[in-house]
Amino acid sequence: QQQVKQSPQSLIVQKGGISIINCAYENTAFDYFPWYQQFPGKGPALLIAIRPDVSEKKEGRFTISFNKSAKQFSLHIMDSQPGDSATYFCAANYPGTYKYIFGTGTRLKVLA
Amino acid sequence: KAGVTQTPRYLIKTRGQQVTLSCSPISGHRSVSWYQQTPGQGLQFLFEYFSETQRNKGNFPGRFSGRQFSNSRSEMNVSTLELGDSALYLCASSRDRVYEQYFGPGTRLTVT
Repeated sequence: QQQVKQSPQSLIVQKGGISIINCAYENTAFDYFPWYQQFPGKGPALLIAIRPDVSEKKEGRFTISFNKSAKQFSLHIMDSQPGDSATYFCAANYPGTYKYIFGTGTRLKVLA
Repeated sequence: KAGVTQTPRYLIKTRGQQVTLSCSPISGHRSVSWYQQTPGQGLQFLFEYFSETQRNKGNFPGRFSGRQFSNSRSEMNVSTLELGDSALYLCASSRDRVYEQYFGPGTRLTVT
């Protein structure tokens, strides 16, 4: 099965700092790369997404950086807040489908 | 606009039994996907339905099945439950030709 590899598994950041989560993929045909945020007891919530023809996308404090040649993409959370403490998942979809392949998740803890 | 709703939220079943989970997508969304989330395997795609037809399927045994109704509501069924089927089952909906998927809160299934 095509994989999406996510790192780190866990991350601790001070309030106001930058949180960076990385993902690498194998299938160059993937054409949509979303990031999801999940709180305990809740379903994943779509944060931000990018297509491979764009190198960066920013929405508020969240930025996706995309490196097509390296087959990598990352999520940057600027000015991290304790309320950002959650598990973050990257994903990629098989072209033309709604079938997502998810990374293994990163548990982020932002210290007050 | 109401989000994706899933019922029931929690379920306890005995090994060998069968279970049916229900999902109501966001109004206007015709695609419904199902995922299984476990600590060991993460988020895994089960199947996707559009206009009452299964369009994509993941790598799960035939004990896992689903269907979609004319109002886009969907059900998934697991027969002959095994202990390993204990998981959070997530439903996600999408508009046609738009890759963004919006997840419901999930159904927590425990098999004893």
